[in-house]
Amino acid sequence: DIVMTQTPLSLSVTPGQPASISCKSSQSLLHSDGKTYLYWYLQKPGQSPQLLMYEVSSRFSGVPDRFSGSGSGTDFTLKISRVEAEDVGVYYCMQGIHLPITFGGGTKVEIK
Amino acid sequence: QVQLQESGPGLVKPSQTLSLTCTVSGGSISSADYYWSWLRQHPGKGLEWIGYFYYSGSTNYNPSLKSRVTISGDTSTNQFSLKLTSLIAADTAVYYCARGVFDVWGQGTMVTVSS
Repeated sequence: DIVMTQTPLSLSVTPGQPASISCKSSQSLLHSDGKTYLYWYLQKPGQSPQLLMYEVSSRFSGVPDRFSGSGSGTDFTLKISRVEAEDVGVYYCMQGIHLPITFGGGTKVEIK
Repeated sequence: QVQLQESGPGLVKPSQTLSLTCTVSGGSISSADYYWSWLRQHPGKGLEWIGYFYYSGSTNYNPSLKSRVTISGDTSTNQFSLKLTSLIAADTAVYYCARGVFDVWGQGTMVTVSS
């Protein structure tokens, strides 16, 4: 199985400040079709996870442009340019190139 | 707008079989565009993919659960289902159904395995 490792485990951010989450995979997520199957989800307190980013850097419908994704191969980053109160929750990265689909352990983002 | 809704028992005894159903509205499980998955989340823990069903009838399961899992679909009711056998306490979790690359999720259903 591909192991997804997220850092940090938790993050406390002042509103308006940036935040960054790292995700590393144990194998390359680059497919022969040229796409990289790395996704980001946010699980707000008491809710189901919601898709934020797909294929590394494409924002899902309705996701604010303060969220951005980058990376390639095995190293990826989710950045929030200016954290808002509604961004609190647990962020997960996920790989969809090899079965079984696997997730990172999660990064909890809190507001200071 | 596609919506997914899980249903099933909240409490199941050890060694029994869990049966959950995901009802899809606003979309069709017969679509070739999407896989239909089950995932779970142990209390206070991360996400685990259980497996998926595709409209052709093909399925794929997480090897960690493969011997105990069956996922199937019913196009007449636009539902897909999860069966998990030989339940143990460690199967206690919130179970979610989701579409495709998990762009749409159900609200989740808490399942407790206890005598």
